[in-house]
Amino acid sequence: GENVEQHPSTLSVQEGDSAVIKCTYSDSASNYFPWYKQELGKRPQLIIDIRSNVGEKKDQRIAVTLNKTAKHFSLHITETQPEDSAVYFCAASRESGGGNKLTFGTGTQLKVEL
Amino acid sequence: DTGVSQDPRHKITKRGQNVTFRCDPISEHNRLYWYRQTLGQGPEFLTYFQNEAQLEKSRLLSDRFSAERPKGSFSTLEIQRTEQGDSAMYLCASSLGPGQIQYFGPGTRLLVL
Repeated sequence: GENVEQHPSTLSVQEGDSAVIKCTYSDSASNYFPWYKQELGKRPQLIIDIRSNVGEKKDQRIAVTLNKTAKHFSLHITETQPEDSAVYFCAASRESGGGNKLTFGTGTQLKVEL
Repeated sequence: DTGVSQDPRHKITKRGQNVTFRCDPISEHNRLYWYRQTLGQGPEFLTYFQNEAQLEKSRLLSDRFSAERPKGSFSTLEIQRTEQGDSAMYLCASSLGPGQIQYFGPGTRLLVL
């Protein structure tokens, strides 16, 4: 089955700096890669996603890049703000034979310091 | 509230008891997923439904676990003879269909004493 590794496990940045979180996946058939943000005690919320036919996607301060050959994808947050502090999870899934079930990484605790 | 809802939000039970959780997906969402999340980990897939059909179950789902979605709307997850290792957050997610965004509910936090 799919295996997703995520690094770093914790990340501390100063407000206004950029943050980068990296994930690798094992199943070359995976074709959908969402990122979820989870604040303490709350539900995971989708912040951005990318499909395998696209190499990069951007939404305001958030961007995701995908390298299918190397089987890794990254989340980039620019101009970080205190409200960006949360746990971020990457995930991978495939429809064919996979039902789009999400396989998650172990999470990155992002702390944005004033 | 038009999001995914789950009930109860918290459940404390004694080892050996049975518990049942309910998930109400977003209206018209055909796909419904159950995940389990333990402290410091990402959610782990348990099972999913396409309408009322349960299409896949994870090896994590032992015989003590059963899930239903009888009318293709809400779903229930039952754990029989609970064990301390079942303590976790049980998350439900729904999507409009294959390949669509999965929206998560707030979860049911289970503590087995």
